[in-house]
Amino acid sequence: AQSVTQPDIHITVSEGASLELRCNYSYGATPYLFWYVQSPGQGLQLLLKYFSGDTLVQGIKGFEAEFKRSQSSFNLRKPSVHWSDAAEYFCAGYVTGGGNKLTFGTGTQLKVEL
Amino acid sequence: NAGVTQTPKFRILKIGQSMTLQCTQDMNHNYMYWYRQDPGMGLKLIYYSVGAGITDKGEVPNGYNVSRSTTEDFPLRLELAAPSQTSVYFCASSYKGLGGTGELFFGEGSRLTVL
Repeated sequence: AQSVTQPDIHITVSEGASLELRCNYSYGATPYLFWYVQSPGQGLQLLLKYFSGDTLVQGIKGFEAEFKRSQSSFNLRKPSVHWSDAAEYFCAGYVTGGGNKLTFGTGTQLKVEL
Repeated sequence: NAGVTQTPKFRILKIGQSMTLQCTQDMNHNYMYWYRQDPGMGLKLIYYSVGAGITDKGEVPNGYNVSRSTTEDFPLRLELAAPSQTSVYFCASSYKGLGGTGELFFGEGSRLTVL
């Protein structure tokens, strides 16, 4: 079955520290992959996406993610976290022919300690 | 810029009542979606539409209905509300399908409680 897995439910980092949020996927073909961020009481906002080509993609707010086919992963990274990055982060995937159905992971709640 | 607007933001229903969640977008997007978000479960697709007059079921359509009479509006109807429908509902839109730009624009959500 097609799926996206986020192994970490909660992560706490200190402001200024680096961040890596994990995402693993299971698809029969190379998927399109996305990272969305949800601030409290808000809808989701797209951070970045991977369609094809360069496996390291840059997004908004200083985030980047790397597509690793050998590890079926698409981890989100940021070199230095700001307190305003505290939010919930969702990885999502889609494959061509998937009927416009974006599959979301269960989310990772990020807490930033000052 | 209004983007995707959902109403109401909060609603409490009694079991068996019906209601409609409204969703309007002003970006002239062809694709619209309804998701529900439950704690620890991520987002699940309820219904989606690829254009006016065309709708299709997502992963969890039971207990819901939709219509798409205009490009702008995509209301979600709950018939005979049940406690299992307590959730936060998000409407989203996109200009192209997921294989196009892939970016969904989300509303701020509607929190529904069924008691």
